[in-house]
This record gives sequence, C-alpha cells and structure tokens, in this order.
Amino acid sequence: AQSVTQPDIHITVSEGASLELRCNYSYGATPYLFWYVQSPGQGLQLLLKYFSGDTLVQGIKGFEAEFKRSQSSFNLRKPSVHWSDAAEYFCAVEAAGNKLTFGGGTRVLVKP
Amino acid sequence: EPEVTQTPSHQVTQMGQEVILRCVPISNHLYFYWYRQILGQKVEFLVSFYNNEISEKSEIFDDQFSVERPDGSNFTLKIRSTKLEDSAMYFCASIPRDRATAGANVLTFGAGSRLTVL
Repeated sequence: AQSVTQPDIHITVSEGASLELRCNYSYGATPYLFWYVQSPGQGLQLLLKYFSGDTLVQGIKGFEAEFKRSQSSFNLRKPSVHWSDAAEYFCAVEAAGNKLTFGGGTRVLVKP
Repeated sequence: EPEVTQTPSHQVTQMGQEVILRCVPISNHLYFYWYRQILGQKVEFLVSFYNNEISEKSEIFDDQFSVERPDGSNFTLKIRSTKLEDSAMYFCASIPRDRATAGANVLTFGAGSRLTVL
C-alpha cells in the first residue's frame, strides 16, 4: 500500500528566507504526487502536481517541487518566503480512482 | 473560480446523535469524495461516490456512515450515531466530468466541516 512521510512536523523560517519541505513516498507504480496547503480556517488548496515529464514542477504562489524517483522524494521549495506562507503543507500520492494518501503535514511558521 | 461549498463550518453534537454534513460540489463534476482529518493526524480517505453509488470506501467508513446525493446538487455525509472519535474536520472534494486518464484531474476540496462530539 502507498504511504507518504513528511519528516518535519514544524518548520520555522524567517520572512525572505528559503523554504524546503521534505516528502518521501512509497508506491509501487509510477506515482502521481501533489502538494496541498491549508491555511487556518481554509480548505486544502492545490499548490502543484506531478504526473509525468519534467521532474521539476512549478506551482502557484512561487512554489516548486522536484520529483526524484531514485530517492522516492517530492520536496517542495520556495526561494523567498512571505508571511502569508504560514500554513500547513501536505504532500499526497494518488492511488487508483483519484484516492489520495496524505502525509502527516508540515506546519510552517514565518518569523518577521 | 468554482468552489466546493460545505455546511456547516462547525457543528457541535452530543454523542449518539445523528449528524448530516452537506457539500455542494462544483456543478459539472461527477466524482465526489469525503475525507476526514482528526486533530493532529493525517487527512484520510473515507469514501468515493460516482453515478449515485459508492465507488470505494475505507475501513473507517463503517455502517454508521452513509453518503447520498439527494437532489443532484448536494452531496451529504451522514453519521448515524456519533462517537467521540468521530470528532474531526470533514472535507468534501470533487473532480470534473472528463477523466481521460487516471489522475489527469485534480481534486477540488471544500473548506471543511469541523465536527465536535461531546
């Protein structure tokens, strides 16, 4: 069965600094991978997705992620964090039928 | 941008009571889902629904749970007799009509309904 691990529960970063969130997955087939963001009181918003092709994918809000098959990873990055990026971030892998398996999430705090 | 709308945003209920959580998916979407997130835990798949029947359900989705699309626009999750451990955020999601390839479409989630069982 598929699984997703996000090793960092909390990350604190200064505004303007770079951010990298780690995601490792376990899935038998070619994965479809996603990053979602959840701001307080909000739903899950899709940041970006990987289905195939270029392993570096660009998303909304200046985020990007790189799929590395050899490391079973799909890490999320942003070069310069804004205070509005404070949220919880979820990595997910898709099994058949559009059923998503989520990681435990990483909560990002942004210091002024 | 079209949205998935969920009501109520927060419901408090007594253990043993029935609860209905409502969702209005995006109008041209045909596949519907419920997920839940217990506080501090992962978002978990509950059930998928297509063509007026359940496509798949998880182990969590036992006989106390049911889903329905009563009127062509709403998609409801009913918990027949709530337990303390049902306290969670429940997310509805949907995907569009066209599904040329598996995974080609992306789930759109609602803002969630927080259920608190006392």
